[in-house]
Amino acid sequence: DAKTTQPPSMDCAEGRAANLPCNHSTISGNEYVYWYRQIHSQGPQYIIHGLKNNETNEMASLIITEDRKSSTLILPHATLRDTAVYYCIVRGTGTYKYIFGTGTRLKVLA
Amino acid sequence: DTEVTQTPKHLVMGMTNKKSLKCEQHMGHRAMYWYKQKAKKPPELMFVYSYEKLSINESVPSRFSPECPNSSLLNLHLHALQPEDSALYLCASSRSDATNEKLFFGSGTQLSVL
Repeated sequence: DAKTTQPPSMDCAEGRAANLPCNHSTISGNEYVYWYRQIHSQGPQYIIHGLKNNETNEMASLIITEDRKSSTLILPHATLRDTAVYYCIVRGTGTYKYIFGTGTRLKVLA
Repeated sequence: DTEVTQTPKHLVMGMTNKKSLKCEQHMGHRAMYWYKQKAKKPPELMFVYSYEKLSINESVPSRFSPECPNSSLLNLHLHALQPEDSALYLCASSRSDATNEKLFFGSGTQLSVL
């Protein structure tokens, strides 16, 4: 199972873009990268996922490097409500193993 | 309905008690999961049921006993737990094991073992 590495914490000014990196150097060709966030010990909330191409939805953008060994989650205009722990997950095709990384604790500052 | 519902939200139990956690979803998902999360740690996978059959057991101690009575319901039976089993227990579901499937999480049961 591919593992992910994330910085333990980051700060971001409100209204600025938050860029959260994830290293997944052992990822294989058919493994997707997922991002979830968790607020105040609630259940994790899905943000976005991708395989090779960059992805964007109403919440965030996901940039995956060409060699797929790392990715960056971008919250374009961070708000105080984006303060949470963000998890990068790699999941293999045909497997139910969604293995969480250690997570980045993002604090958005007013 | 895109919810995964977990009950109870909080549970306190003694080491000799038997209790059960319940998880329900009505999204037609065929895979259901139990995760355990200790404070300030990421969720750890415990069990996965696929089409109501146990698919993955991540070497979880036998004092945790999962059950999937039907495709919408997942239980976790607890017996003779230890204080170190105190944690947030999260249930999740996904449509299948196909590529591109998202996990949907419940809000969890906060368990305290005294």
